[in-house]
Amino acid sequence: ETGVTQSPTHLIKTRGQQVTLRCSSQSGHNTVSWYQQALGQGPQFIFQYYREEENGRGNFPPRFSGLQFPNYSSELNVNALELDDSALYLCASSTPPVAGEQFFGPGTRLTVL
Amino acid sequence: EDQVTQSPEALRLQEGESSSLNCSYTVSGLRGLFWYRQDPGKGPEFLFTLYSAGEEKEKERLKATLTKKESFLHITAPKPEDSATYLCAVRVETSGSRLTFGEGTQLTVNP
Repeated sequence: ETGVTQSPTHLIKTRGQQVTLRCSSQSGHNTVSWYQQALGQGPQFIFQYYREEENGRGNFPPRFSGLQFPNYSSELNVNALELDDSALYLCASSTPPVAGEQFFGPGTRLTVL
Repeated sequence: EDQVTQSPEALRLQEGESSSLNCSYTVSGLRGLFWYRQDPGKGPEFLFTLYSAGEEKEKERLKATLTKKESFLHITAPKPEDSATYLCAVRVETSGSRLTFGEGTQLTVNP
């Protein structure tokens, strides 16, 4: 069974740029959730994708957007990067979307300068 | 607003010294309480799910319990490899799929 994978591992961007983070869900999982974790804090829910559509969103502005593909993999896009966007971005997969455990990937560390 | 509070923020134990971590929650309609372990710079690793008051789950040196207001993660005779941040999260009926996390307890076990 293949676990959740994320790419890239680390990323450095400058303020105002755009970034795309990628996630492959665990084998057999059709739901992907994205979280932002600032240093020393718990993860904060960004949004979830199920059947290629957004299925719930946290308190994040529209410049945070996403996609889910037919193979259940997903992308997180962030436009107009701000310094406060520096964080560990975590992807979690699960099935079904509302019940059950979420299994996390290793994360992408984004640094915005 | 749903709230999850973990205590203590940090805990140092000697190898073999048992203790408990606390996760208190104020939510409407709990649909599951989850415990995760997180090593530095890595993603959270799933440990347990608890659904109803009185439920208990065990795995090696860890035991999780749940009441109507809080959950405890008991660590029996810990080893240095148990050092990590332990995160508690809840799913509630009004928030669909999202998990709401606490800030975590950073556990250090000294040999």
